[in-house]
Amino acid sequence: KAGVTQTPRYLIKTRGQQVTLSCSPISGHRSVSWYQQTPGQGLQFLFEYFSETQRNKGNFPGRFSGRQFSNSRSEMNVSTLELGDSALYLCASSVDRGNTEAFFGQGTRLTVV
Amino acid sequence: GESVGLHLPTLSVQEGDNSIINCAYSNSASDYFIWYKQESGKGPQFIIDIRSNMDKRQGQRVTVLLNKTVKHLSLQIAATQPGDSAVYFCAENRSHSGYSTLTFGKGTMLLVSP
Repeated sequence: KAGVTQTPRYLIKTRGQQVTLSCSPISGHRSVSWYQQTPGQGLQFLFEYFSETQRNKGNFPGRFSGRQFSNSRSEMNVSTLELGDSALYLCASSVDRGNTEAFFGQGTRLTVV
Repeated sequence: GESVGLHLPTLSVQEGDNSIINCAYSNSASDYFIWYKQESGKGPQFIIDIRSNMDKRQGQRVTVLLNKTVKHLSLQIAATQPGDSAVYFCAENRSHSGYSTLTFGKGTMLLVSP
């Protein structure tokens, strides 16, 4: 069965722009979580969606938002991009809430210039 | 161990050796721990998990040990192979107010020489 798919793989944006990243979870998985990975801070939790509802949110500013659709696909949006938003954004899916056996996609590498 | 800033702790081993990667966690209420492997250019890959009511779990070539007294987790890889070279992360699952969050350690880089 197909794994977690994230698109696009690479993205370059300029400061002030906004960006939308997409994640298609493993078929049958209803929970999608987003993480930001940087060399300095490691993997940091952004938010989790389950059944189209945001269930949990990490310590990120309101410029970071997301949503989940009825087919469990999820998008995250970052508005007013800053240089420090450059990172690998990872999506993980699991069957249900609780992050048991969360499977990650390959991530979207965002570079803000 | 844990890293600071850009510098990941690195474990260098020879092919065929056994590797032990350590992780300290902070929250005694964490109910579930996971080890992930991340190769360059890829997302983290699930290796093995362990629930807090266990102290040992074995997989294929891997064993995870959990010592709740000192809040320590280790991943043992038997007969390490060059393909095991990657960054390894431990993650703890913390449940609170009905929600749960995976909190990751900074990672350890494993380098396997042929």
